[in-house]
Amino acid sequence: DAKTTQPPSMDCAEGRAANLPCNHSTISGNEYVYWYRQIHSQGPQYIIHGLKNNETNEMASLIITEDRKSSTLILPHATLRDTAVYYCIVRVAGNNNDMRFGAGTRLTVKP
Amino acid sequence: DGGITQSPKYLFRKEGQNVTLSCEQNLNHDAMYWYRQDPGQGLRLIYYSQIVNDFQKGDIAEGYSVSREKKESFPLTVTSAQKNPTAFYLCASSARGGEAAKNIQYFGAGTRLSVL
Repeated sequence: DAKTTQPPSMDCAEGRAANLPCNHSTISGNEYVYWYRQIHSQGPQYIIHGLKNNETNEMASLIITEDRKSSTLILPHATLRDTAVYYCIVRVAGNNNDMRFGAGTRLTVKP
Repeated sequence: DGGITQSPKYLFRKEGQNVTLSCEQNLNHDAMYWYRQDPGQGLRLIYYSQIVNDFQKGDIAEGYSVSREKKESFPLTVTSAQKNPTAFYLCASSARGGEAAKNIQYFGAGTRLSVL
């Protein structure tokens, strides 16, 4: 699996958009980008995934660069409840032999 | 409700004791996983199972054992050989193979294990 790099921490003002970057410069053509988040003392929660097109769901938007070497998770109107650790993971579709969660980005939404 | 149930929420282990953490899912998922999380750290994979009666070691399997006798159950035993078992343990499941959506893992609420 391609390795990902995320900033260890970020802050965001409540009500503003939170933009969380992820670098995956070694991503291969059949690998998807997945985002999860983990609120303190809970299990991780799936947010969104994509291959090369931008994706949007009720939780967030995922923007993948044209060369697919980086992506950005966007929370359009961050709330205090979005404070969590956000994990970016790159995986081949259907290859769920295992999944590695790195250290992620700790997002703190401030009032 | 469909989901993953882990029990107990809190568990205490005495020196030299084996303890078993329960994980049950009613999502009809083939694959199940166990992760360990230490304070301020990411998740580390202990064991995973893609199908009943089969399981594979993850990155930190030493001192742990699992079984997968039923599709819906994947218990984890922390043995006395695990010298530093204090951690947050997370169980997850996913549908197996084929599509991008089948890499989506669903997690339980976790079990927090401490040593007395």
